[in-house]
Amino acid sequence: DGGITQSPKYLFRKEGQNVTLSCEQNLNHDAMYWYRQDPGQGLRLIYYSQIVNDFQKGDIAEGYSVSREKKESFPLTVTSAQKNPTAFYLCASSFGGSETQYFGPGTRLLVL
Amino acid sequence: DQQVKQNSPSLSVQEGRISILNCDYTNSMFDYFLWYKKYPAEGPTFLISISSIKDKNEDGRFTVFLNKSAKHLSLHIVPSQPGDSAVYFCAASSSGTYKYIFGTGTRLKVLA
Repeated sequence: DGGITQSPKYLFRKEGQNVTLSCEQNLNHDAMYWYRQDPGQGLRLIYYSQIVNDFQKGDIAEGYSVSREKKESFPLTVTSAQKNPTAFYLCASSFGGSETQYFGPGTRLLVL
Repeated sequence: DQQVKQNSPSLSVQEGRISILNCDYTNSMFDYFLWYKKYPAEGPTFLISISSIKDKNEDGRFTVFLNKSAKHLSLHIVPSQPGDSAVYFCAASSSGTYKYIFGTGTRLKVLA
């Protein structure tokens, strides 16, 4: 049963803490993406990765970091430098550029 | 600068009637477009795509029309069903790039 999984569904962050959001796909997709959604707004691209061991900044990369050590996995770390981290985070994957992106169920991050 | 715009934040339609969701873009380099449906606290679900070599693409109850000269696309849902009630996003991309630009979404409510 192919798809994209994200965990956890809800995540709480304390001030000054780094937290990591997990994203795994078994669709054999080369490209993976992280988006952020805020209320009443569209999806904004944080980071994307075209292939293993390579990734590029999106439009709002400040305060975030990623790694792509395996094709199936693309974890996102929200660092303490991200001053407004409360949002809904979505991971997606695709076979390549300009291909349809398929999304995971999302992780809601809240700040305590 | 918002390159992809969905100017109607919400739309209400009677069950069985046609729903028309609109999307405008400003970048003439965009040549691949996607529509997604999203329920609250879930990831977007891919609905239908269209490339700039076509002006229409149909999949069951969903049809997307592309007017390149007007930089406008629309999603038609016929007939509308209560289960179609969700937020609909359009997204645009340029060939060879990995970045999609998303609109802010239109909330569709289908009334029984």
